[in-house]
Amino acid sequence: DIVLTQSPVLAVSLGQRATISCRASQSVSISSINLMHWYQQKPGQQPKLLIYRASNLASGIPARFSGSGSGTDFTLTIDPVQADDIAAYYCQQSRESPFTFGSGTKLEIK
Amino acid sequence: EVQLQESGPGLVKPSQSLSLTCSVTGYSITSSYRWNWIRKFPGNKLEWMGYINSAGSTNYNPSLKSRISITRDTSKNQFFLQVNSVTTEDTATYYCASITTVVNGNWFAYWGQGTLVTVSS
Repeated sequence: DIVLTQSPVLAVSLGQRATISCRASQSVSISSINLMHWYQQKPGQQPKLLIYRASNLASGIPARFSGSGSGTDFTLTIDPVQADDIAAYYCQQSRESPFTFGSGTKLEIK
Repeated sequence: EVQLQESGPGLVKPSQSLSLTCSVTGYSITSSYRWNWIRKFPGNKLEWMGYINSAGSTNYNPSLKSRISITRDTSKNQFFLQVNSVTTEDTATYYCASITTVVNGNWFAYWGQGTLVTVSS
């Protein structure tokens, strides 16, 4: 299985930039297509799709969210961070089955 | 818009079977998409369990393959999860979710609200 590694916690100040990383144990890209996706989950809610294929903004997601990366290293950026962004963020790969998720990064306010 | 809603018992005894239903509205499960079960453990780990596609074929996580079954009732636009021989390690919040069948897709666009299942005697 492809293992996705995320840092457990990231603390940032409101209005600043948050950079959340996800590293895969092997490449999740096929040619130029990066099969990494990002979700936000707030307590008591279901996960919400933010970014698909590494850099595509899902419908209804604010433009302060963006994604980048290829191969094994991917980044979710939130700029500027707002109070409503306090949540856990998960990456997920679909390069191969079984689909796997990262362990999540909890975004906290400094 | 596609909407999913899980239902089922919140408490299951060890060694018994866990059975959940996902009711889908706004889209026919026979039209397209893949219909998934995902669970989140108390430590926040997310695990993809498997899916049933619009034609009725299934794909399971090998770690669970011997214990799970995903089926459907097309007349009710529902799909189901059964996990056999549960232990306390199956305690989790269970989500149903859909993914598109776009080539090189397989991102989870729609999710149910989740249902907590506790395995305890």
